[in-house]
Amino acid sequence: GAGVSQSPSNKVTEKGKDVELRCDPISGHTALYWYRQSLGQGLEFLIYFQGNSAPDKSGLPSDRFSAERTGGSVSTLTIQRTQQEDSAVYLCASSLATASGGVQGTQYFGPGTRLLVL
Amino acid sequence: AQSVSQHNHHVILSEAASLELGCNYSYGGTVNLFWYVQYPGQHLQLLLKYFSGDPLVKGIKGFEAEFIKSKFSFNLRKPSVQWSDTAEYFCAFTSGTYKYIFGTGTRLKVLA
Repeated sequence: GAGVSQSPSNKVTEKGKDVELRCDPISGHTALYWYRQSLGQGLEFLIYFQGNSAPDKSGLPSDRFSAERTGGSVSTLTIQRTQQEDSAVYLCASSLATASGGVQGTQYFGPGTRLLVL
Repeated sequence: AQSVSQHNHHVILSEAASLELGCNYSYGGTVNLFWYVQYPGQHLQLLLKYFSGDPLVKGIKGFEAEFIKSKFSFNLRKPSVQWSDTAEYFCAFTSGTYKYIFGTGTRLKVLA
């Protein structure tokens, strides 16, 4: 079956422009997560969706970052007025459910979008 | 704060050498533990996971990890590495919620 897919795979943009990153989770997965991976850093949690709701947006670094999910499936992460420090790989993951962790909460990752802000 | 420490940032081994990558987490309660691997040009893949039961967990491609609760550790091992094991390895845990805490990763290079 298909895994998590993300688009674009690479994005180069100029400082100050807006970008949209897309994530298609595994079919049937109700939970979706966004992470950011900067050079030399671990994965940094950004936001999590349960269905179309985002109970936890605590990881979003600033109000320039926003995300939405529609139809309990596709999610879009939007970065407005991009800055050079936004350059990173943005990873999306999905899980069958969040439950309280456990097997159903095991997260499966997409290939990521590599964002470069010039 | 909850965190994961991976002590080795870069490891270089020859083929057939044994591997052990360290992982320590900071959290006093029940945890679920994971090792993910990212091969060059590929996405993160789940290598193995621990939820409960036998603390010695076997994963794909001959990898195993041992959960030692008293040491807050979940070290990854493989008796004999192959060139194809060259990758970046990430340890992660969750304290029973959706929020995974990741380490900064260990880059493994296996020389043929």
